[in-house]
Amino acid sequence: EVQLVESGGGLVQPGGSLRLSCAASGFTFSSYSMNWVRQAPGKGLEWVSYISSSSSTIYYADSVKGRFTISRDNAKNSLYLQMNSLRDEDTAVYYCARDIGGIVGATFDYWGQGTLVTVSS
Amino acid sequence: DIQMTQSPSSLSASVGDRVTITCRASQSISSYLNWYQQKPGKAPKLLIYAASSLQSGVPSRFSGSGSGTDFTLTISSLQPEDFATYYCQQSYSTRRTFGQGTKLEIK
Repeated sequence: EVQLVESGGGLVQPGGSLRLSCAASGFTFSSYSMNWVRQAPGKGLEWVSYISSSSSTIYYADSVKGRFTISRDNAKNSLYLQMNSLRDEDTAVYYCARDIGGIVGATFDYWGQGTLVTVSS
Repeated sequence: DIQMTQSPSSLSASVGDRVTITCRASQSISSYLNWYQQKPGKAPKLLIYAASSLQSGVPSRFSGSGSGTDFTLTISSLQPEDFATYYCQQSYSTRRTFGQGTKLEIK
């Protein structure tokens, strides 16, 4: 059974940093691209970042570019999101999602349960 | 970025109704369009990919159509478990974007 379990969320002050993790199991993690998608309270879904299976290709949404860094460790079956210079508007539930598409055709077939990040003083 | 616009933003319907949700892209995206269902407090679930392909395990009352800029998600006969929020997502651009969502409520 495919499982994605996010962790690392919490309360952080504006300007602070946080590192999210996503532990994958039930599939060959190293064969799949992965993404982070977030959802602000009461709002819609916003794609945040993409990383290819080998980490050779990475994309970011303009809203986080230069502040967030996506990475993965295929040996540990884990995906990460390093979030720096956090702003109030980064407050959201962050989901990791498996991608069965490619650079074109991204399709998120499995999602984690999400981890809440709250940016507030 | 490619903008995705869904209509309506909310919809009231009854069990057994046929419902159609529309998604329009700001430029042509061929058939690179996916649909997701999200229930409160839960992660989204993939329903339709590549505009019209039904994801494994999804009931056949869900269907998708369209290409280019205009797409539809149709539920042929609403069931109680279908009341949720639905999102379209374009996968044509490397900057993936979602529609703003359509909340389907019980009439």
